[in-house]
Amino acid sequence: LAKTTQPISMDSYEGQEVNITCSHNNIATNDYITWYQQFPSQGPRFIIQGYKTKVTNEVASLFIPADRKSSTLSLPRVSLSDTAVYYCLVGPFSGGYNKLIFGAGTRLAVHP
Amino acid sequence: GAVVSQHPSRVICKSGTSVKIECRSLDFQATTMFWYRQFPKQSLMLMATSNEGSKATYEQGVEKDKFLINHASLTLSTLTVTSAHPEDSSFYICSAPGRKETQYFGPGTRLLVL
Repeated sequence: LAKTTQPISMDSYEGQEVNITCSHNNIATNDYITWYQQFPSQGPRFIIQGYKTKVTNEVASLFIPADRKSSTLSLPRVSLSDTAVYYCLVGPFSGGYNKLIFGAGTRLAVHP
Repeated sequence: GAVVSQHPSRVICKSGTSVKIECRSLDFQATTMFWYRQFPKQSLMLMATSNEGSKATYEQGVEKDKFLINHASLTLSTLTVTSAHPEDSSFYICSAPGRKETQYFGPGTRLLVL
């Protein structure tokens, strides 16, 4: 599984756009990039997944450059409730049956 | 959407006792489930893969005789922490494969061993 590197922590303010970048230099051809969000004392929650270019859903956008060695999770207009830990995972997911290896994640704090 | 539940949400037990944690897929079948452990301020650590009808696969360093996993049906996996000690106190989370290349996670179980 490709190793990922993310900033340990980030701070932002309500209403701002937050971009969290994840490096995965050793990503394999069949690897997907998936982001999860975790609130304290809760299980992780799926945010977004992509393979290349750009993916957008109602929660976030995921930007993946052509070389796929990094990806950026973009959260538009964050609110206090977006304060959480965000995990970037890379792996050959197959219907979710492959085990997930979590890195340290990025602890995002949104301030009033 | 698909939901994974866990029971209990939190449990306190005395050192030396055993504790069973249940993980259920509520509206879908899961032949595979995963168990994670998370210590405060740390990331999730995969403990084992639970397979319906067969033995669980444990990650390196996880004692299979201490953390007993039983996947007796297509919707239920259980994790039993045997002879629990204070160092087993942690947040235990299960997950199950969902649609579209993702996993659905349970809400977690907080275990405190006194």
